[in-house]
Amino acid sequence: EPEVTQTPSHQVTQMGQEVILRCVPISNHLYFYWYRQILGQKVEFLVSFYNNEISEKSEIFDDQFSVERPDGSNFTLKIRSTKLEDSAMYFCASSERPYEQYFGPGTRLTVT
Amino acid sequence: AQSVTQLDSHVSVSEGTPVLLRCNYSSSYSPSLFWYVQHPNKGLQLLLKYTSAATLVKGINGFEAEFKKSETSFHLTKPSAHMSDAAEYFCVVSVLNQAGTALIFGKGTTLSVSS
Repeated sequence: EPEVTQTPSHQVTQMGQEVILRCVPISNHLYFYWYRQILGQKVEFLVSFYNNEISEKSEIFDDQFSVERPDGSNFTLKIRSTKLEDSAMYFCASSERPYEQYFGPGTRLTVT
Repeated sequence: AQSVTQLDSHVSVSEGTPVLLRCNYSSSYSPSLFWYVQHPNKGLQLLLKYTSAATLVKGINGFEAEFKKSETSFHLTKPSAHMSDAAEYFCVVSVLNQAGTALIFGKGTTLSVSS
């Protein structure tokens, strides 16, 4: 069964550094998403991406964040200058239709 | 605005007994509703979905949920719990037919299953 994959599984970085989290969505899916889950809190929507552009983003997704689909298979989330409060589990999801989303296993980001 | 409230943060059952995880939703539009499960150190797995077809929805691993518009509820049930059902369960709402729709998650319910 096809699945969403994410790399790395765990990323440790120092405050102020740039990080790129990578995702490979399911191959025939057209909609792509990033969510995050701070330890002990809800899963929160960050951004959705369709037709090579951002279709929706939350208040969390400020200028420090960007997304890109650099080729036909990868979907990346970049955090330009990480802060301590960016420490969280980041989930990538993809869907063939707008609302039935399939999630990857997540990348745990630890900012020190 | 859309939101979901999971009424129990933790539910404990014995193996072989029924499971009930409660969820109420709020939506200005005709909602799509989902239950996702997260096992320890794993990603989020779609259990089942409601998208305005049958109100009783069957999912994987013997779970089902009933959409009740009058009660704005979408409770998750299973007749007989198994040890492997122990996990975190999330009730999720989405607005139908919008491109790139954001999913709104509840806070989650931790299900513990004892032998």
